Amino acid sequence: GDSVTQMEGPVTLSEEACLTINCTYTATGYPSLFWYVQYPGEGLQLLLKATKADDKGSNKGFEATYRKETTSFHLEKGSVQVSDSAVYFCALSLSYNTDKLIFGTGTRLQVFP
Amino acid sequence: DVKVTQSSRYLVKRTGEKVFLECVQDMDHENMFWYRQDPGLGLRLIYFSYDVKMKEKGDIPEGYSVSREKKERFSLILESASTNQTSMYLCASSLRGVYTIYFGEGSWLTVV
Repeated sequence: GDSVTQMEGPVTLSEEACLTINCTYTATGYPSLFWYVQYPGEGLQLLLKATKADDKGSNKGFEATYRKETTSFHLEKGSVQVSDSAVYFCALSLSYNTDKLIFGTGTRLQVFP
Repeated sequence: DVKVTQSSRYLVKRTGEKVFLECVQDMDHENMFWYRQDPGLGLRLIYFSYDVKMKEKGDIPEGYSVSREKKERFSLILESASTNQTSMYLCASSLRGVYTIYFGEGSWLTVV
């Protein structure tokens, strides 16, 4: 079935380090892809999205490119901050009308000063 | 800003109790969702609704039911709470076809 696989965390980095969180997917159709972020004690917020192959989503210094050939949507940031510490979820949606999301298990990022 | 409001942040209920989790959104969204979040499992869809009085089962509907009598309100019901339903419950809503889903802050439910 359709699924999303993320790298396990926690990912621990020093401030200003480069970040990559890997995400791959399996889907029968042509999904839209998303990254959501969950800060401590809060719900999820959409970080970025891409709706077709080769699209690049970006927001708050984060980027991810929809790679159909490798079925991947890796999250990257060139210089992380302590305030980026959160849990990051990769997700896909195959349904135009219902927006049903299939989530990965989440990757916790911890950034230290 | 879109607001998805969940009525209770923290609840403690006894095994066998009937539990209601309420969710209200203020943006006239057609779609509403209930997810459950557990460590190591990510978010799993319990039920979703794409219109008033319409509902569809998600991946883990057993032990849950839902109600959507008005467009802005989507309720999750645990008919007889069990300890394995201790979890964080997240409500969400979206405008059809826009691919942006808005989440509430979550309800932490502990069943003892």
